[in-house]
Amino acid sequence: QSALTQPRSVSASPGRSVTLSCTGTSSDVGGSTFVSWYQQHPGRAPKLILYDVNKRPSGVPDRFSGSKSGNTASLTISGLQAEDEADYYCCSYAGTSYVFGTGTELTVL
Amino acid sequence: QVTLRESGPALVKPTQTFTLTCTFSGFSLTTTGMSVSWIRQAPGEALEWLARIDWDDDEFYSTSVKTRLTISKDTSKNQVVLTVTTMDPVDTGTYYCARLTPYGASFDYWGQGTLVTVSS
Repeated sequence: QSALTQPRSVSASPGRSVTLSCTGTSSDVGGSTFVSWYQQHPGRAPKLILYDVNKRPSGVPDRFSGSKSGNTASLTISGLQAEDEADYYCCSYAGTSYVFGTGTELTVL
Repeated sequence: QVTLRESGPALVKPTQTFTLTCTFSGFSLTTTGMSVSWIRQAPGEALEWLARIDWDDDEFYSTSVKTRLTISKDTSKNQVVLTVTTMDPVDTGTYYCARLTPYGASFDYWGQGTLVTVSS
């Protein structure tokens, strides 16, 4: 299975909103309600920030939201903060396998 | 409190077989719906899912490396073990174990990861 496609890098200013995309196929993102997103700071383990497309685990701020349309899932971060600067990975679960995205490096200018 | 910790050799020679252990606490792999996976990340690269083992002993593998992987569990020790045969320099990276949400759709708790270098 090929990795899901994410933009390599995105930048935005503090306080603004940014949307990160994750594009797959009908065999993964398009055919699954189980899309999750992970935030990874340099040298750290990934952290789950969204699951089942748009659900937030306890402790994740509501500035993080998710959606899906067709074969593309999206992560929107509103009210950007310096601490949001990190790599973001999407992941699609298709019954017996998982495919991650190529990752987006988010820079908060 | 759920925690996971990976352990294993930091340096492996090409062609060797390599074993990583994930020791966890705060949950049990005898609980219905529980699963643990292994995920790796080559330096500067994206995450790659490798394998999953379920509470009922079901095993699932990435098709790209399936023939070289074995995942197993020891519930008495709260451990999950990943064995990789025929190691190659392209297998160099940080290996993470992670717990899955019940019935396994996303990874809710991760270990800190362990860096494995394959080099002669």
